[in-house]
Amino acid sequence: EAQVTQNPRYLITVTGKKLTVTCSQNMNHEYMSWYRQDPGLGLRQIYYSMNVEVTDKGDVPEGYKVSRKEKRNFPLILESPSPNQTSLYFCASSYLAGGIQETQYFGPGTRLLVL
Amino acid sequence: AQSVTQPDIHITVSEGASLELRCNYSYGATPYLFWYVQSPGQGLQLLLKYFSGDTLVQGIKGFEAEFKRSQSSFNLRKPSVHWSDAAEYFCAAGEVTGGGNKLTFGTGTQLKVEL
Repeated sequence: EAQVTQNPRYLITVTGKKLTVTCSQNMNHEYMSWYRQDPGLGLRQIYYSMNVEVTDKGDVPEGYKVSRKEKRNFPLILESPSPNQTSLYFCASSYLAGGIQETQYFGPGTRLLVL
Repeated sequence: AQSVTQPDIHITVSEGASLELRCNYSYGATPYLFWYVQSPGQGLQLLLKYFSGDTLVQGIKGFEAEFKRSQSSFNLRKPSVHWSDAAEYFCAAGEVTGGGNKLTFGTGTQLKVEL
């Protein structure tokens, strides 16, 4: 089954404790992206990757890191989480057609609470 | 900066009535455009997309959208709403610039369907 998986689905942590949210897709997609969703703000892109070893900032990259060492995986790293990073996080992937994202497939989301 | 505006935060319609959800974008060039739907507790699912060509695009679940360059709009329509259409709807726009490929979402419109 074609899917995007994220782990963990729920996470409670404390300020400053490094954490990683994993994202994996089995569709051989070139493009992967991380979003955060906050009430009234919609989805905001954190980072995206056009292919292995190619990453770029989205609209809200501060406080986050990513890596793309393999095509299928795109982990999101919070080196020192803060309460303002409490949010619902989505990973997504898509093919690139002529450099343009095709349909994005979204993971189920990771709900993060930073105390 | 690129932006996507969904002016209606909440919309309520009666089952069987027609629906139009508004989306306006602000981009330097013609972006490529999407509409996604998010059911409660779920990830996002693509309804339809516009890259170029015919300005009226058909999507899944009986939805359609019309791209109007003169109005910088990409409104979503459905002639007869079903109770199962109750969800949050997001318009998104992307642009290929400088080798990158960012995607910007609107803040969403919550649709309520009255029986």
